[in-house]
Formats: sequence, structure tokens, C-alpha cells
Amino acid sequence: AQSVTQLGSHVSVSEGALVLLRCNYSSSVPPYLFWYVQYPNQGLQLLLKYTSAATLVKGINGFEAEFKKSETSFHLTKPSAHMSDAAEYFCAVSVAGSARQLTFGSGTQLTVLP
Amino acid sequence: DADVTQTPRNRITKTGKRIMLECSQTKGHDRMYWYRQDPGLGLRLIYYSFDVKDINKGEISDGYSVSRQAQAKFSLSLESAIPNQTALYFCATSDSSSGRSNEQFFGPGTRLTVL
Repeated sequence: AQSVTQLGSHVSVSEGALVLLRCNYSSSVPPYLFWYVQYPNQGLQLLLKYTSAATLVKGINGFEAEFKKSETSFHLTKPSAHMSDAAEYFCAVSVAGSARQLTFGSGTQLTVLP
Repeated sequence: DADVTQTPRNRITKTGKRIMLECSQTKGHDRMYWYRQDPGLGLRLIYYSFDVKDINKGEISDGYSVSRQAQAKFSLSLESAIPNQTALYFCATSDSSSGRSNEQFFGPGTRLTVL
């Protein structure tokens, strides 16, 4: 079975600073990996996804993530945080053979300080 | 815009009451899902349906039931609500023909409080 660990349930950064949200996965087969964002009182929106093509994946709003098989990681980064980035971020994994269900991490709440 | 909608958006009910949450989608997707979100636990899968005649239990199906009335509609029922079912509930859809990754699209959520 696959699983996802997000290190840090709360992360605070200053506006303009680097955003780094950590995600590690466990899977016995090649995974598909996702980052979703949840703004207050809204559903989840896909930021980006890794589907075994390029290991560096670019998403919306300036976010990107790098798949590192040796580290079983898929960390999310953004060079310069904006106030509008404040939200909760979820990493998720799916694998072939599991009906391709998504398994979510516990989420990271990002606060952007002025 | 093709979308995923959920009704109601907020609901307060009492222990023992039967309640139904509804999900509709105009995306034309064949797969639909129900999740619950609890603080610190992320999203957990309750039920999923790959087509109208295919219903499957997820990780935490006890105390819940579902109905896929049509390709576009997927309802979640709590037959006898209990306080620990207080949570944020999300419906999601995906398209089996879109590739192997199973990208899912989420509704806005229903906040359920059981007193």
C-alpha cells in the first residue's frame, strides 16, 4: 500500500521568501504524485502532478516540484512567496493496481507573513 | 464551466438523524468519490464509484452508504449520524480515459456538524 508523509503541519514564511513544503512517499511501484492547494472555504485545486515524464514539474502560480526517486520525495517549492499563497497544501500519491486511488498526506498549512 | 457541485454547503444535525449529502457534476466524468477531511488527518476516502453499477468501499466506509443515481450524481448518506462524523466532506470526479494518473477534481465541500 502507498502512503504519504508531509513534514511540518504548519509552515510560516515571509513575503518574498522561498517556500519549501516537504512530501515523502512510500510505494512499492512507480507512483504518480500530486500537490493540491485548498484556499479557505474552498475545495482542493490541483497545483501540479508527476506522471513519470520530466522529474521537475512546473505548476500553476509559480510552484514547482521535483521527483527524487532515491529520496522518495516530491517537495513543493516557490522562489518568492506571495500573501495569496496562504492556504493548506496536500501531497497525494496514486499507483497503478490500486484502482488508482489517491492517498493524501495530512496537509501543511502555509502562512505568509508581511 | 464544467463543474462539481455539492449540496448543502453547511449542515447542522442531531445525533441519530438520517442525512444525505449530494454531489453533481457537469464534467462528463465517469468516476466519482466521497472523502472526509479532518484536521491533521488529510482526506480519507469513504466510497468511490467507477460507473453507475460499480460502487466500492474506501478506507472508512463504516456508518456511511452511497447511491450513484446517474453518471452525474453521487449521494452520500449517514443513516444515523453520530458526533464523530462531524467533518468536511468532499466529492471528487475523474475521467478514466484521461490517462493513468487519475487526476481528481473536487467540489467545494460540505461542512457537517453532528450535535
